[in-house]
Amino acid sequence: EDQVTQSPEALRLQEGESSSLNCSYTVSGLRGLFWYRQDPGKGPEFLFTLYSAGEEKEKERLKATLTKKESFLHITAPKPEDSATYLCAVGIYGQNFVFGPGTRLSVLP
Amino acid sequence: NAGVTQTPKFQVLKTGQSMTLQCAQDMNHNSMYWYRQDPGMGLRLIYYSASEGTTDKGEVPNGYNVSRLNKREFSLRLESAAPSQTSVYFCASRKSGQGEAFFGQGTRLTVV
Repeated sequence: EDQVTQSPEALRLQEGESSSLNCSYTVSGLRGLFWYRQDPGKGPEFLFTLYSAGEEKEKERLKATLTKKESFLHITAPKPEDSATYLCAVGIYGQNFVFGPGTRLSVLP
Repeated sequence: NAGVTQTPKFQVLKTGQSMTLQCAQDMNHNSMYWYRQDPGMGLRLIYYSASEGTTDKGEVPNGYNVSRLNKREFSLRLESAAPSQTSVYFCASRKSGQGEAFFGQGTRLTVV
């Protein structure tokens, strides 16, 4: 069964305190690993796609990495505006995605 | 750039009532999706449409029907709403079977 888990469930950081979010997956055929940001009351907003183990992508304070079994979203020197829920999803055969439950990130000033 | 537009944003239904959630995208995408999001469970796929004229069941299709009206529009219908269908519903679209999906702002549905 295709499955995606994320840890931690919630993370509270002080402004400037770097950390990482984890996404672990077991799928029969990976067709991309996707990271999204979701603000309260809004739809998920696309951040990154990774396709191959060893691949990395960066955007401002965020960097996503991929191995054969997991992905990390590294947040460097976060700011309060980085507070959101971060969702991980894997693309699978048949046009679909399997989403993880998300990590709620709070960055305190 | 409207992207993916969902209507309505909020809805309260009584048990047994029916309603249709509307979704339209202006990105000329082939694939469209309906998800529901519940606390602690992530996004779960209800139905999807790989292209105009086709629809397929996802993980949680019971109690729902869909219509791919044309390339732009994909509607979700609840024929007889139940309290278990209280959720936030998201429509998404994707250019093809590869690449990222883009989401609407969601419909918060409460069934009492």
